[in-house]
Amino acid sequence: EAQVTQNPRYLITVTGKKLTVTCSQNMNHEYMSWYRQDPGLGLRQIYYSMNVEVTDKGDVPEGYKVSRKEKRNFPLILESPSPNQTSLYFCASSFFGTDYEQYFGPGTRLTVT
Amino acid sequence: DQQVKQNSPSLSVQEGRISILNCDYTNSMFDYFLWYKKYPAEGPTFLISISSIKDKNEDGRFTVFLNKSAKHLSLHIVPSQPGDSAVYFCAANDGNQFYFGTGTSLTVIP
Repeated sequence: EAQVTQNPRYLITVTGKKLTVTCSQNMNHEYMSWYRQDPGLGLRQIYYSMNVEVTDKGDVPEGYKVSRKEKRNFPLILESPSPNQTSLYFCASSFFGTDYEQYFGPGTRLTVT
Repeated sequence: DQQVKQNSPSLSVQEGRISILNCDYTNSMFDYFLWYKKYPAEGPTFLISISSIKDKNEDGRFTVFLNKSAKHLSLHIVPSQPGDSAVYFCAANDGNQFYFGTGTSLTVIP
């Protein structure tokens, strides 16, 4: 089954404790992306990657890191989480340059206390 | 500043009638537009898209209209069904990034 998986689905952590949210896709997509969803703000792109070893900042990259060492994986790293990073996070993937249709993961609910 | 705007946070429609969801954008460099549907506790799912070189795209009950001069797009759902009740996001792409609106919550009343 074609899918994007994210882990963990729920995470409660404390300020400053490094964490990683994993994302994996099995559709051989070149483009992968991370979003955060906040009330009243919709979905905002954090980082995106057009292919292996190619990553770029989206609209809200501050406080986040990403890496793309393999085509299927695109982890999101919060090196020193803060309460304003409490949010719902989505990973997405797509082919690019044809129809731009993105497949989204189920989301990760992160709470930073 | 929000480059893609959905000014109606919510919309209620009777079953069988037409639902019209609207979206405005500011960047004339956007070359592709998409609509996504989102149910609670799930990720968004792709609904329909349109290239900037077209003004209409149809897929079953869903039609997207693009008015480039007004920088406006709309999603028409005909006929609306209770299962269409969800949050709808419009999105735009500039060749690299995706920009999403804030969403419109559609309720279809049986």
